[in-house]
Amino acid sequence: QKEVEQNSGPLSVPEGAIASLNCTYSDRGSQSFFWYRQYSGKSPELIMFIYSNGDKEDGRFTAQLNKASQYVSLLIRDSQPSDSATYLCAVSGGSSNTGKLIFGQGTTLQVKP
Amino acid sequence: NAGVTQTPKFRILKIGQSMTLQCTQDMNHNYMYWYRQDPGMGLKLIYYSVGAGITDKGEVPNGYNVSRSTTEDFPLRLELAAPSQTSVYFCASSLREGGEQFFGPGTRLTVL
Repeated sequence: QKEVEQNSGPLSVPEGAIASLNCTYSDRGSQSFFWYRQYSGKSPELIMFIYSNGDKEDGRFTAQLNKASQYVSLLIRDSQPSDSATYLCAVSGGSSNTGKLIFGQGTTLQVKP
Repeated sequence: NAGVTQTPKFRILKIGQSMTLQCTQDMNHNYMYWYRQDPGMGLKLIYYSVGAGITDKGEVPNGYNVSRSTTEDFPLRLELAAPSQTSVYFCASSLREGGEQFFGPGTRLTVL
C-alpha cells in the first residue's frame, strides 16, 4: 500500500464547475497535510495546508481533512482553464516519515472552456 | 527574497561524467531537500539536511552525494552519470521539521 495515494486522472471538469481532488494516506499519526499545484514544466507551488479536522477555505480553494477516515481533499470552486495542472498531495508528521513530506503521485486536472 | 534558486536550468551530460547541481535559499531555512521527478511520476526524495553539517539519505540516494557547509547552500553531486539519472531535479527548503516546503525552479538533466 502506498503511503499517500491519489487518482492520477485526468480529472476533466467544465469551466465554472467544482473540481474535487482526493487523497488518502496510510500513516494514522500524520499531522500536517499540504496541497501543491504543479504546472507542466514548472516546480510545485504550495496552495493550501491544513492541520485540523474540518474545512479550511482560501478564496476558491477549500481543503477538507478527515483524520478518522485518513483522507484529505481539495475543492476548487468556479474552476478556470488556468487551474489546469497536476495537484500533489503531501503528508508529514507520521511515525514513518518524521520530518519529511511524503508526496502522492498527483492528480491531473483539466478544465475545459 | 529570491526564495530557492537552482543552477543550471538545463544540462546534458555524457555517461560517466560528473556534475554538481547548485541550490541556494535566502529564507534562513534550516531544512533543505533534493528531489527527483521522472515524467508522469511523483517526487522522490534523494537527500535532505536538517542544518549546516547534517545530511541524511532519502528514498533514492544511490549515485548522488550532498554536503551542507552553510545554511544557504545545499549542492547535489552526481558522480559517474548514468542514463537512469535523466530526470528533473528540485531543491526545496522548509522553516520547520515537517512544515511546508518551498521549491526551486528545477534543473532538467539528460544523460546520454
